[in-house]
Amino acid sequence: DAGVTQSPTHLIKTRGQHVTLRCSPISGHKSVSWYQQVLGQGPQFIFQYYEKEERGRGNFPDRFSARQFPNYSSELNVNALLLGDSALYLCASSPGQGIYGYTFGSGTRLTVV
Amino acid sequence: AQTVTQSQPEMSVQEAETVTLSCTYDTSENNYYLFWYKQPPSRQMILVIRQEAYKQQNATENRFSVNFQKAAKSFSLKISDSQLGDTAMYFCAFMKLGAGNQFYFGTGTSLTVIP
Repeated sequence: DAGVTQSPTHLIKTRGQHVTLRCSPISGHKSVSWYQQVLGQGPQFIFQYYEKEERGRGNFPDRFSARQFPNYSSELNVNALLLGDSALYLCASSPGQGIYGYTFGSGTRLTVV
Repeated sequence: AQTVTQSQPEMSVQEAETVTLSCTYDTSENNYYLFWYKQPPSRQMILVIRQEAYKQQNATENRFSVNFQKAAKSFSLKISDSQLGDTAMYFCAFMKLGAGNQFYFGTGTSLTVIP
């Protein structure tokens, strides 16, 4: 079985641009969460989606948005990129609501210049 | 608000020895879950062990075990018979039920296993 796959693995964007990050959960997993990991810190929660509905949102500005598709894959969108958005963005999936833990992908490394 | 503190930024251990990583957390919740994840250079977070707060018995997974002290809000990870593949960043995480069942992660402990 494939694990959680994220694309792209790396990308470089310019300040003010828009970016879309993609995540495919493990087959059968209905919950997807997104985390931002700034260098040297632990991941910070951005969103959780379960059964295509937003179930949780972290303390991030409205420039961050996400959605989950009928096949349970997910996109994270960030508008008007700032230098501070440079980070590793992690996607994680779980069969249910995650109380048994999430399986993480290897992340997308976003650099904003 | 939930906070997770890992007070040891870096640790090292000789191969085959035992090491304990510390974690404390602050919460007013009574029902929650605690996790340890490892993050090797490949960047993927890998679940090491999980503990339900309502269980007094400490969780164990092969060479990994925890010392869960609910009253003290402490959740340390013990790695026995350390192996070179254990070299990684280790994150302690707290999960409160509701509002997305989000993880609250500590800042991590970088563990190096020395041959």
